Amino acid sequence: QSALTQPASVSGSPGQSITISCTGTSSDIGGYDYVSWYQQHPGKAPKLMIYEVSNRPSGVSNRFSGSKSGNTASLTISGLQAEDEADYYCSSYTRSSTLELVFGGGTKLIVL
Amino acid sequence: EVQLVESGGGLVQPGGSLRLSCAASGFTFSTYWMHWVRQAPGKGLVWVSRTNTDESNTRHADSVKGRFTISRDNAKNTLYLQMNSLRAEDTAVYYCARARAGGAFDIWGQGTMVTVSS
Repeated sequence: QSALTQPASVSGSPGQSITISCTGTSSDIGGYDYVSWYQQHPGKAPKLMIYEVSNRPSGVSNRFSGSKSGNTASLTISGLQAEDEADYYCSSYTRSSTLELVFGGGTKLIVL
Repeated sequence: EVQLVESGGGLVQPGGSLRLSCAASGFTFSTYWMHWVRQAPGKGLVWVSRTNTDESNTRHADSVKGRFTISRDNAKNTLYLQMNSLRAEDTAVYYCARARAGGAFDIWGQGTMVTVSS
């Protein structure tokens, strides 16, 4: 079971919007509305930012939004801020016989 | 405060064993599915194991099946990961995580480092 596919890095200037894609298959992203997104700063534990494709946990800024089309999920961050610079990971349940849940390889967001 | 605190990591020789613990507080531990996720140095997140609320249904990634065992003690509010026959490729930070409905991990521990080396 391969990890979900994310770009290695994306960048944007403060105030801009960026989108991170996460591509899977019909056995994971395309088959479930259970896509999550996590933010991880260096040396820290991941933090849940989006669950069930487009829902934000309490306390997460509404600058973060999620969507899905077919086998690809997306995380959009609007009004970029310096503190958004971090690694972002997507995840999805999978019908794989070898795993229950699969993560993307991670995307480094660089705020210029 | 809702939190998870892992312990038990360390340096172990190939073929050795370790048991990780994850102490939960601030929520009703017995009502949540719990997972272990690991992250090798400089690498991404990888799902390892999962247990339902009463340990009647557990699942492990193929990469650790037969070597790792997830368990829980709801009376002690603690999750465990017994790791046997450890390999160099098991070297990673191990996180325990609480799962909400839909499989999203809404609470994570701080992680515990496991290093497998001679």
